[in-house]
Amino acid sequence: AQKITQTQPGMFVQEKEAVTLDCTYDTSDPSYGLFWYKQPSSGEMIFLIYQGSYDQQNATEGRYSLNFQKARKSANLVISASQLGDSAMYFCAFTTGGGNKLTFGTGTQLKVEL
Amino acid sequence: SQTIHQWPATLVQPVGSPLSLECTVEGTSNPNLYWYRQAAGRGLQLLFYSVGIGQISSEVPQNLSASRPQDRQFILSSKKLLLSDSGFYLCAWTRSGGVRPQHFGDGTRLSIL
Repeated sequence: AQKITQTQPGMFVQEKEAVTLDCTYDTSDPSYGLFWYKQPSSGEMIFLIYQGSYDQQNATEGRYSLNFQKARKSANLVISASQLGDSAMYFCAFTTGGGNKLTFGTGTQLKVEL
Repeated sequence: SQTIHQWPATLVQPVGSPLSLECTVEGTSNPNLYWYRQAAGRGLQLLFYSVGIGQISSEVPQNLSASRPQDRQFILSSKKLLLSDSGFYLCAWTRSGGVRPQHFGDGTRLSIL
């Protein structure tokens, strides 16, 4: 069975610092995709970054990077130079294809402080 | 570019009343479409997904149903709402084929009284 786990219900970071949000997954399928989404208080889900299981390099998108450790089955999100606007709920999600159905983690609430 | 529209943004309904939430996608053809529900302070739960017109897969048994009458239209319905149907409902789309990110609508906040 597929499972995705986010163990940090809440995180605090100071503005301009980097922060790592943890995500671990479990699957026996060799082909899968990992995603991170941001959900501000307004509710919309914003796609941030994607990592494929066969990708050789860690994904990066601007200030977002994904620390993909395949052997450990972890896909942590790193946000560099945090900004106040980064305060939001962050969800890790996972699919093994087959209609691209996503399984979401429980989320991490990030608060960026001055 | 592709856009996804979801309405209404907010809905307050009495227990036992019917429900119809609509989602449409523009700028693409034959998308995969999804309905999710998010309870307060929780993650997203996949309710239904569709890979084509008239093709609906249900992930969670419940009193909700979904339909896809047109290629880029996805409707979530109920004949009789329960208190437990309250939540935040999100529609999403992705291009078909391969592993691709889903893109979400702005959501509908449904409150059952």
